[in-house]
Amino acid sequence: GDSVTQMEGPVTLSEEAFLTINCTYTATGYPSLFWYVQYPGEGLQLLLKATKADDKGSNKGFEATYRKETTSFHLEKGSVQVSDSAVYFCALSEGGNNRLAFGKGNQVVVIP
Amino acid sequence: DAGVIQSPRHEVTEMGQEVTLRCKPISGHNSLFWYRQTMMRGLELLIYFNNNVPIDDSGMPEDRFSAKMPNASFSTLKIQPSEPRDSAVYFCASSSRGANVLTFGAGSRLTVL
Repeated sequence: GDSVTQMEGPVTLSEEAFLTINCTYTATGYPSLFWYVQYPGEGLQLLLKATKADDKGSNKGFEATYRKETTSFHLEKGSVQVSDSAVYFCALSEGGNNRLAFGKGNQVVVIP
Repeated sequence: DAGVIQSPRHEVTEMGQEVTLRCKPISGHNSLFWYRQTMMRGLELLIYFNNNVPIDDSGMPEDRFSAKMPNASFSTLKIQPSEPRDSAVYFCASSSRGANVLTFGAGSRLTVL
């Protein structure tokens, strides 16, 4: 079935550094792609989304581009802040029923 | 809107006890999802409802787990009897059909001793 793979392990970086979190997907059709963020002690929140190939989702300085040729949706931010410390989940929609398949998530820790 | 409301936020219970988790979705949303989050398995979809009807419960671990949605504004996830391996954070999420975006509650952290 449809699935999402995120890079292994936590990410630790200094404030103002460049952040990249890799996400690749496997799907039989043309899914919508999402990044959700989970701050400590909270539920997941939608960060950005893209619904078709070459779309770029963006929010709060984060960007991700739907790349059909490489089946990827990598998350990037040019200059991270301590407040960006959270767990980031890549996800895709399965069909038209709003059901999401999530990756395992990446813990991001930004050090002052 | 107050968002998706879950209760309790934290529950500590002993093995063998019944646990009931509750969820109030966003008014007007017609899809509701129950997820479980653990360090080992990440986020797992347990069950989801469309218009109060269970559509797919293939993620429910075993018969000890059951979920109901008696009306559009309330759902429960019940574990009976509970076991230590059920310890996790359980999330409820809701969406409106066609919106393709889930709104999550803050979660219920369950600890079974």
